[in-house]
Amino acid sequence: DAGITQSPRHKVTETGTPVTLRCHQTENHRYMYWYRQDPGHGLRLIHYSYGVKDTDKGEVSDGYSVSRSKTEDFLLTLESATSSQTSVYFCAISGGAESSYNEQFFGPGTRLTVL
Amino acid sequence: AQTVTQSQPEMSVQEAETVTLSCTYDTSENNYYLFWYKQPPSRQMILVIRQEAYKQQNATENRFSVNFQKAAKSFSLKISDSQLGDTAMYFCAFVNAGKSTFGDGTTLTVKP
Repeated sequence: DAGITQSPRHKVTETGTPVTLRCHQTENHRYMYWYRQDPGHGLRLIHYSYGVKDTDKGEVSDGYSVSRSKTEDFLLTLESATSSQTSVYFCAISGGAESSYNEQFFGPGTRLTVL
Repeated sequence: AQTVTQSQPEMSVQEAETVTLSCTYDTSENNYYLFWYKQPPSRQMILVIRQEAYKQQNATENRFSVNFQKAAKSFSLKISDSQLGDTAMYFCAFVNAGKSTFGDGTTLTVKP
């Protein structure tokens, strides 16, 4: 799993509340990504980071923000959660010393339920 | 924008048999990577095999091999001697400049 952890692993919250998911890596990879996975779909990119304080939007970024203040941590925030954001969220990393930055390693996922 | 299509939502195979999962993609890029990931019920995304577009030789990893047809934009996965542990969802992914596009997956069931 390339030293990637996600917290929390499960969360149930109510519509309108803020939620922050954390991705932590111990591999010193430069790139970090947040994806969501919904039934019948593959992973869809929400946001990614190509360095500390450098982030960009993916294909499904509306309603989400991210921050990366240090190499190890990439935070995903839902400012006001909606039921449509119920999903499984995956963090990924790439760009380590011994791997191509095109090869991504994934965390275990976080199941988020918004009631 | 890139698109990845996996046309087989579900497949099944008998244990010890061979199965091929299909994947096609659309891109105007010339340099890119292609990957197959396995996702068992545990949800963990596991890399199965990778292919660099500039390499003509098809990648192999033990029982897993690919048929990469760059001109046809096709990237199929062949699993030989299927095992019960191969039961999972399989995703094809296109990667260029660090950004990935995934197909919607194929659920593979290996039957005893």
